[in-house]
Amino acid sequence: QKEVEQNSGPLSVPEGAIASLNCTYSDRVSQSFFWYRQYSGKSPELIMSIYSNGDKEDGRFTAQLNKASQYVSLLIRDSQPSDSATYLCAVNGVSGGTSYGKLTFGQGTILTVHP
Amino acid sequence: GAVVSQHPSRVICKSGTSVKIECRSLDFQATTMFWYRQFPKQSLMLMATSNEGSKATYEQGVEKDKFLINHASLTLSTLTVTSAHPEDSSFYICSATPGQLSEQFFGPGTRLTVL
Repeated sequence: QKEVEQNSGPLSVPEGAIASLNCTYSDRVSQSFFWYRQYSGKSPELIMSIYSNGDKEDGRFTAQLNKASQYVSLLIRDSQPSDSATYLCAVNGVSGGTSYGKLTFGQGTILTVHP
Repeated sequence: GAVVSQHPSRVICKSGTSVKIECRSLDFQATTMFWYRQFPKQSLMLMATSNEGSKATYEQGVEKDKFLINHASLTLSTLTVTSAHPEDSSFYICSATPGQLSEQFFGPGTRLTVL
């Protein structure tokens, strides 16, 4: 079982719709959760971080965390063509009793927002 | 805030030469820096974890004598690809974090082409 799993997509939504991206993780002691956006040929860009159960909103983005279900999601409201990118879920946990800040990434979900 | 720079952004070199890539955290002190490699249409691959003043920790399968990492200060880490070969051509990306459970902030990446 992969440590962090995402649907690879592609996920296609019309402009103005809500895009829903999902991620599950296997390490129950994971403590920090992040969503990155990566445009083709560019490096990842942090868009959301979440540390506790519940929702966290930032502009058009909402991250949701459910530690009991080991599930984290990202909602993008009013999707725009410029949101078309690969979205990476990343989890920071404890490995071997010591955390060095390493992130475990999902394989990424390709999102396409069409006009 | 949280800006990470990389230099150079693009480099082309001849087979057998060495290439040095610099990674700097511009507005925060990075307890740890990370080096990744990404081939086209593939996921990020962590190469090594670098802490200031100590030896880097390399991931399994990454040759430490080929990919030399020096973490000279809390704001600077360098990756030297020694005796580069065409198969080393890739997109090299660094990231930096101010704390073990904090976000990783990525540099813009260095595209290496070995002829």
